[in-house]
Amino acid sequence: QKEVEQNSGPLSVPEGAIASLNCTYSDRVSQSFFWYRQYSGKSPELIMSIYSNGDKEDGRFTAQLNKASQYVSLLIRDSQPSDSATYLCAAPTGFQKLVFGTGTRLLVSP
Amino acid sequence: GAVVSQHPSRVICKSGTSVKIECRSLDFQATTMFWYRQFPKKSLMLMATSNEGSKATYEQGVEKDKFLINHASLTLSTLTVTSAHPEDSSFYICSALEQNTEAFFGQGTRLTVV
Repeated sequence: QKEVEQNSGPLSVPEGAIASLNCTYSDRVSQSFFWYRQYSGKSPELIMSIYSNGDKEDGRFTAQLNKASQYVSLLIRDSQPSDSATYLCAAPTGFQKLVFGTGTRLLVSP
Repeated sequence: GAVVSQHPSRVICKSGTSVKIECRSLDFQATTMFWYRQFPKKSLMLMATSNEGSKATYEQGVEKDKFLINHASLTLSTLTVTSAHPEDSSFYICSALEQNTEAFFGQGTRLTVV
């Protein structure tokens, strides 16, 4: 089993809808999780970090963490075409290395 | 968020030559930096972990003599691709760890070997 798993998508949502991106991880020791957004041809940009169970909200983004289920998600409210990108979930392993999922491609149609 | 600057953003080199890529943390000190490569439509592949003042730790399958990493200061790590060949053409990205928690990425370097 891969350490961090994501559905590759694409996930297609209409403009204004809520986009829900999911990620599961295998390392029960992981204490922090990160969501990165990567536009085509660009490097990843950190958009959310979450360290404790529950929800964390930042603007239109909400990260949800359930350590018991080893599940972390990212909700994007009022999706915009500019949100179209690949979203990478990441969790640290030993020695502070980040392990990335393969990413979910999100397409927001006008 | 913290700023990580990577240079150059694009480079084209002849087969057999070497290319150096720089990664700088501009507003924080980073004892640990990471180097990744990414092929089109694929995820990031960690190549090595760069530690200030010590030797880099390479991932399995990454040739340390081909991808030389130097982390001489708390704000600069360099990756040198030696004797580059067309199969080394890729998108190389560095990241730096701020306060040992969140990782921020440089802009990436697109290397084309002709």
